[in-house]
Amino acid sequence: AQSVTQLDSHVSVSEGTPVLLRCNYSSSYSPSLFWYVQHPNKGLQLLLKYTSAATLVKGINGFEAEFKKSETSFHLTKPSAHMSDAAEYFCVVSDREGYQKVTFGTGTKLQVIP
Amino acid sequence: DGGITQSPKYLFRKEGQNVTLSCEQNLNHDAMYWYRQDPGQGLRLIYYSQIVNDFQKGDIAEGYSVSREKKESFPLTVTSAQKNPTAFYLCASALGVANEQYFGPGTRLTVT
Repeated sequence: AQSVTQLDSHVSVSEGTPVLLRCNYSSSYSPSLFWYVQHPNKGLQLLLKYTSAATLVKGINGFEAEFKKSETSFHLTKPSAHMSDAAEYFCVVSDREGYQKVTFGTGTKLQVIP
Repeated sequence: DGGITQSPKYLFRKEGQNVTLSCEQNLNHDAMYWYRQDPGQGLRLIYYSQIVNDFQKGDIAEGYSVSREKKESFPLTVTSAQKNPTAFYLCASALGVANEQYFGPGTRLTVT
């Protein structure tokens, strides 16, 4: 079985402060993990992906995520929030060796306060 | 300019009518997907296709139908059997099922 849990449905930060969006996963096989961002009434855009290479993955717009197998986590971070980061973020897990099903988290809405 | 297009952006229909949402990609991807997004529920998979002339039901396929006659096209029909069709519909494509997906801009369907 495969699942992904985004631990916070809403996160609020002040502009210029760090961002942490939490994601835990479970997978029977070696997973691929992704973070996507969605601005209102738009499609999803890939921020970054982990596919078994380096455990610290750098993405676009200054975001990065660290794959921690022992903690089954893939948290998304950014050192300094910008107003344009306000959006909804989705963590996604995909089995690379098994059924290859893709599972989306329920999303975290990030609010950035000026 | 490569990418995925969905049309139209907004669609309005009367209850009882079937409606077809368009999804086209020029990324040469084999896999294509349809998702439904409702407030607070994330994305739910309706149908997906790994190759031309083949498609599989997702988690909420009832009341929907698809076809995959061409690699670049994966239209979704919302039938009158779908009990609550008003939603934001997203199409995506990927090189393969386990690869990252690329999303279109979405179609917002309102049925009254």
